[in-house]
Amino acid sequence: GENVEQHPSTLSVQEGDSAVIKCTYSDSASNYFPWYKQELGKRPQLIIDIRSNVGEKKDQRIAVTLNKTAKHFSLHITETQPEDSAVYFCAGTDSWGKLQFGAGTQVVVTP
Amino acid sequence: DTAVSQTPKYLVTQMGNDKSIKCEQNLGHDTMYWYKQDSKKFLKIMFSYNNKELIINETVPNRFSPKSPDKAHLNLHINSLELGDSAVYFCASSQDRAGFGYTFGSGTRLTVV
Repeated sequence: GENVEQHPSTLSVQEGDSAVIKCTYSDSASNYFPWYKQELGKRPQLIIDIRSNVGEKKDQRIAVTLNKTAKHFSLHITETQPEDSAVYFCAGTDSWGKLQFGAGTQVVVTP
Repeated sequence: DTAVSQTPKYLVTQMGNDKSIKCEQNLGHDTMYWYKQDSKKFLKIMFSYNNKELIINETVPNRFSPKSPDKAHLNLHINSLELGDSAVYFCASSQDRAGFGYTFGSGTRLTVV
């Protein structure tokens, strides 16, 4: 089965700096890699996703890169703002739709 | 309109009781899931149904029983509640069993006292 590891567990950045979260996965059959943002007391919400036939995807200040050979993918947030503070989860799903989450990264953006 | 709705939002109950959580999605998705999020924020899949058929059943005590009357609904019934069942339970749905378009419900915070 899929095993997704996520680092770091906490990340503190100054407002305006960049934040990078890295994940690795074990199942070479994994083909879909979403990222979720969970604010305190709220549901996880999809912020960006990438499929295995794409190496990079960008949406405004957020970008995700995927290296299939190395089985790792990363989330990049540029020009961080206080509202980016949340827990971020990476995930990988296999062909059965089983979405395995990383353990989460608590991002704190300090003004 | 809420895409994936769960009820109740909060549930406080005593040990040994039986309780149910309901979930409905209006996205037309084929697949629905139950996740458990513990106090350390780890999200763990419990069950998945595709068109009312159980396709994922993780190692979960058999006190937990999902029921899917139709593809828009997936309910979770828990018997003989224990303290360790306290967590936030999230329902989710996706377009198909490949997992695209995962959308989570707002969660049910279960507290067993």
